[in-house]
Amino acid sequence: GESVGLHLPTLSVQEGDNSIINCAYSNSASDYFIWYKQESGKGPQFIIDIRSNMDKRQGQRVTVLLNKTVKHLSLQIAATQPGDSAVYFCAVKASGNTPLVFGKGTRLSVIA
Amino acid sequence: DTGVSQDPRHKITKRGQNVTFRCDPISEHNRLYWYRQTLGQGPEFLTYFQNEAQLEKSRLLSDRFSAERPKGSFSTLEIQRTEQGDSAMYLCASSLGGLQTEAFFGQGTRLTVV
Repeated sequence: GESVGLHLPTLSVQEGDNSIINCAYSNSASDYFIWYKQESGKGPQFIIDIRSNMDKRQGQRVTVLLNKTVKHLSLQIAATQPGDSAVYFCAVKASGNTPLVFGKGTRLSVIA
Repeated sequence: DTGVSQDPRHKITKRGQNVTFRCDPISEHNRLYWYRQTLGQGPEFLTYFQNEAQLEKSRLLSDRFSAERPKGSFSTLEIQRTEQGDSAMYLCASSLGGLQTEAFFGQGTRLTVV
C-alpha cells in the first residue's frame, strides 16, 4: 500500500518570504498528487494538483514539483502571507480506483 | 453555495449511543468519499461510493460503521454503539470520478463521545 511521509511537521517563515513544504511517498505506481490547505476547524481546501506525466505545475503564487525518481513532492508558496498560515497536506493516489492517501501535514506559521 | 455540505457540524454523544451524519456532495459529482481525521493527523480513508455503489471500505471501518448512498446523491455515515475512540472529525469529499480528478471536501462533522 501507499504511505505518505512528512519532512517537517512545522515551518515558520517571515511574511514575504517563500515557503517550501515537502512530502515523500512510497508507491512508485502513484500517479496523481494533490496539495490541500486546512485551516483550523475547516475541511481541507484544494490548492493544486499534478499528474505523474508532469514534473512541475504552477498556480497563483504556488508551484508543485514532482520528482518521481526519488518519490518526492514539494509545494512552494511565493511571497508568503499571513493568510497562508494553515496545515498543508499532500495526498497521493495510485493508479486505478484507489482513494487518496494523506500525509500527516505541515503546519505553516507566517511571522508578520 | 454549491460545495460539499455536511450536517451536523458538531455532535456530542454519550458512549453507546448511535449517531448518523449526512453529506451532500457537489451535484454533478458521482464519487463520494468518507474520511476520518484525528487531532494532528491527516485524513484517513474510510469508504467511497461510485454513484450508489460502495466500492471500497477501509479496515478502519469496523462493523459498527455503516455508510449508504441510496440514490447516488447524498450519503449517510452511521456509527452504532459509539466509543470514545470514535471521537474525531468525519470528512466527506466528492469528485467527478475517473482516475485523477480532484476531491473537494466539506467542512466536516466533529464528533465528541463522552
